[in-house]
Amino acid sequence: SQQGEEDPQALSIQEGENATMNCSYKTSINNLQWYRQNSGRGLVHLILIRSNEREKHSGRLRVTLDTSKKSSSLLITASRAADTASYFCATDRDDKIIFGKGTRLHILP
Amino acid sequence: DGGITQSPKYLFRKEGQNVTLSCEQNLNHDAMYWYRQDPGQGLRLIYYSQIVNDFQKGDIAEGYSVSREKKESFPLTVTSAQKNPTAFYLCASSMSGGLEQFFGPGTRLTVL
Repeated sequence: SQQGEEDPQALSIQEGENATMNCSYKTSINNLQWYRQNSGRGLVHLILIRSNEREKHSGRLRVTLDTSKKSSSLLITASRAADTASYFCATDRDDKIIFGKGTRLHILP
Repeated sequence: DGGITQSPKYLFRKEGQNVTLSCEQNLNHDAMYWYRQDPGQGLRLIYYSQIVNDFQKGDIAEGYSVSREKKESFPLTVTSAQKNPTAFYLCASSMSGGLEQFFGPGTRLTVL
């Protein structure tokens, strides 16, 4: 069963622009993670934000969490060609994490 | 060089045959996971194991089996009972109680 749902499903932007993708979830969480997947590869962990945190930064990544709206956003600033990938949010459920269906990001040259 | 490996990268099998996918990690992680990913979709949990000699069914365990005889290894068998086995299979591991999962490169299984 899917817990998180990313929006939009696909996003194309020019190199250098900022990319924003969102994740909504249904039940209360302890933490939320974002992962990246390059085509045909495994996932790579990007950032984790706990339920008592509102914002977190890592390099060009900025993640926000609004537990009242049950939503999170991932902002990638100054996008590069190498950022082309699918991005997934993942929320905790019992002793597992549940992934959304992802946002496919395409950076145009 | 620590990490998690899966083999083979591509696997072709005839319908009705069982096939085993390998997953090995040298990160000393207690927990290991198997996911299935279909085109344009997210990951669905097949099986997971929190400790050696113990494992639990995930959301789509039917037609699959696993074993966890060693901490480093968590092989997945796709049986002939799995109705639509063609997919991309991902193995992951994490520390006990850990949240961040480390993924292998995946195995793309095609059943002809």
